[in-house]
Amino acid sequence: EVQLLESGGGLVQPGGSLRLSCAASGFTFSTYAMSWVRQAPGKGLEWVSGISGSGGTTNYADSVKGRFTISRDNSKNTLYLQMTSLRAEDMALYYCAKEATTSGTSPDYWGQGTLVTVSS
Amino acid sequence: QLVLTQSPSASASLGASVKLTCTLSSGHSNYAIAWHQQQPEKGPRYLMNLNSDGSHSKGDGIPDRFSGSSSGAERYLTISSLQSEDEADYYCQTWDTGIQVFGGGTKLTVL
Repeated sequence: EVQLLESGGGLVQPGGSLRLSCAASGFTFSTYAMSWVRQAPGKGLEWVSGISGSGGTTNYADSVKGRFTISRDNSKNTLYLQMTSLRAEDMALYYCAKEATTSGTSPDYWGQGTLVTVSS
Repeated sequence: QLVLTQSPSASASLGASVKLTCTLSSGHSNYAIAWHQQQPEKGPRYLMNLNSDGSHSKGDGIPDRFSGSSSGAERYLTISSLQSEDEADYYCQTWDTGIQVFGGGTKLTVL
């Protein structure tokens, strides 16, 4: 059974940093691309970033480019999202998602999310 | 620019069928999409991938009541024999050169 467990969310001041983690199990982690998708309160889903199975290719939404860094540790079956220079508009529930392919097309499994609150 | 357009809301009666629409932006009518369901207070759930020819592959455990079809730039999700638990937000999503795009979502109310 595929399981994705996010952690690392919390309250951070504007301009601060936070690192999210996603522990994956139930599938061969290194085979599949992974992504982060967020949902602001009362809003729709917004893709944030994706990474290939090997970790060699990363992509970012324009809204986070230069501030967020996605990475993975295939030896630990864990996905990360390092977030810096956080803004009020980054406040959201952040979901980790397993992609259906090694390069990233669409999520086929989702975590339950971790909440990031940006406030002074 | 790759954009997916969905109606904000839809409604149908218990036991009836409903067809939700997702429209691809101009120049992208041959793109495949995915449909995702988000029940209230829950994380999203993958429903299916849907190709431009209407062929689709569903996720694990998705009931036969859920089906997909395509026509030109339109991608459809049909839910038959509506049940109360089908009341949810439905998102279409697509991808291009590593970037993913979500539609704004359709809130489905089961009457």
